[in-house]
Amino acid sequence: GQQVMQIPQYQHVQEGEDFTTYCNSSTTLSNIQWYKQRPGGHPVFLIQLVKSGEVKKQKRLTFQFGEAKKNSSLHITATQTTDVGTYFCADTGGFKTIFGAGTRLFVKA
Amino acid sequence: EAGVAQSPRYKIIEKRQSVAFWCNPISGHATLYWYQQILGQGPKLLIQFQNNGVVDDSQLPKDRFSAERLKGVDSTLKIQPAKLEDSAVYLCASSLGGGQAFFGQGTRLTVV
Repeated sequence: GQQVMQIPQYQHVQEGEDFTTYCNSSTTLSNIQWYKQRPGGHPVFLIQLVKSGEVKKQKRLTFQFGEAKKNSSLHITATQTTDVGTYFCADTGGFKTIFGAGTRLFVKA
Repeated sequence: EAGVAQSPRYKIIEKRQSVAFWCNPISGHATLYWYQQILGQGPKLLIQFQNNGVVDDSQLPKDRFSAERLKGVDSTLKIQPAKLEDSAVYLCASSLGGGQAFFGQGTRLTVV
């Protein structure tokens, strides 16, 4: 069935370092959404990417959608302790939203 | 704007007992989702409604799980009988047709 794979599973960084999580699929993704879930919280929508090769920025966060629409990435520049949490990508094709397993980010001050 | 409301927030039951969760989506949101999130994993879609019709329930264990969305607004998810492996957070989310999903706080279920 439809699967969305995320890597890495965990990432430990020193505050100020950059962080990237990748979302991959063997099939063409429809639209990609990114969510952030703080420890003990619920997923919160960050952004949606629709077009092939699309790049969007939100302050220190940069989101990319691959040219073939089979992968996406989220890059955080100069991480802060407030960036701690799990980042999920989700494929929203066919009226279904399928989540990846997430990348958990730990930031050491 | 009111968010997605879920109740209860926590529930502890013994295996083989039954339990029900309730969700009130954001007003006007036609699409409603129930997800199961086991600790350390991503949310797994159990069932998706479009108004009061089921869009997808392929991952719903139908021998023990059931869900309904009467009148296309509130929804309930039931487990009967519960198993130990059902311990998880059950998240309800709603959206305006496949767009941004808004999640509720979730119900943390512990089966002992």
